[in-house]
Amino acid sequence: DAGVIQSPRHEVTEMGQEVTLRCKPISGHNSLFWYRQTMMRGLELLIYFNNNVPIDDSGMPEDRFSAKMPNASFSTLKIQPSEPRDSAVYFCASRVGAFSNYGYTFGSGTRLTVV
Amino acid sequence: RKEVEQDPGPFNVPEGATVAFNCTYSNSASQSFFWYRQDCRKEPKLLMSVYSSGNEDGRFTAQLNRASQYISLLIRDSKLSDSATYLCVVNILTGGGADGLTFGKGTHLIIQP
Repeated sequence: DAGVIQSPRHEVTEMGQEVTLRCKPISGHNSLFWYRQTMMRGLELLIYFNNNVPIDDSGMPEDRFSAKMPNASFSTLKIQPSEPRDSAVYFCASRVGAFSNYGYTFGSGTRLTVV
Repeated sequence: RKEVEQDPGPFNVPEGATVAFNCTYSNSASQSFFWYRQDCRKEPKLLMSVYSSGNEDGRFTAQLNRASQYISLLIRDSKLSDSATYLCVVNILTGGGADGLTFGKGTHLIIQP
């Protein structure tokens, strides 16, 4: 079991640049989540997909953030243009089914620094 | 009011002691409850689910009080390796007939030799 795979592990970029974070969920998992973690705000749910369809994107901070899931094995989170306040650890997680009966599995995260 | 509230700690506890954490949640409609553990600079990992009747997994015991909207985690005979941040987690119902999880900010535990 390869687990949830995220790339890159670390990203340092300049303010104003576009950043794309990638996630491959566990095979057979049909729900995928994007979270952001900072010291101040903890883990915040940004968006999640069920069967590749966005279910709830109310946590997406603003129009600079967008997420896609073109197929069951791949999702992207894009920030354009990036700002220093976007610096955080971005986690992707996946689970089987539409409900949280069994919790879910996180990837190792992408540590984003915007300078 | 925050959806899930926890004492951030840190809790400094000698090895072998028993330690308990609590959290409260605001949404009375929540149905699924969990404790996750997060080590420094790592991803959160599921520690255990929390069931209405209470449940135990080795040295760990979780309790749920729906009336008070309160969840607890008890660690007995604490080990140095238990040092971590413990996240209280509840589900949130969203549109589309599915749900997501809301995380507390975590309680930081330090086990001292």
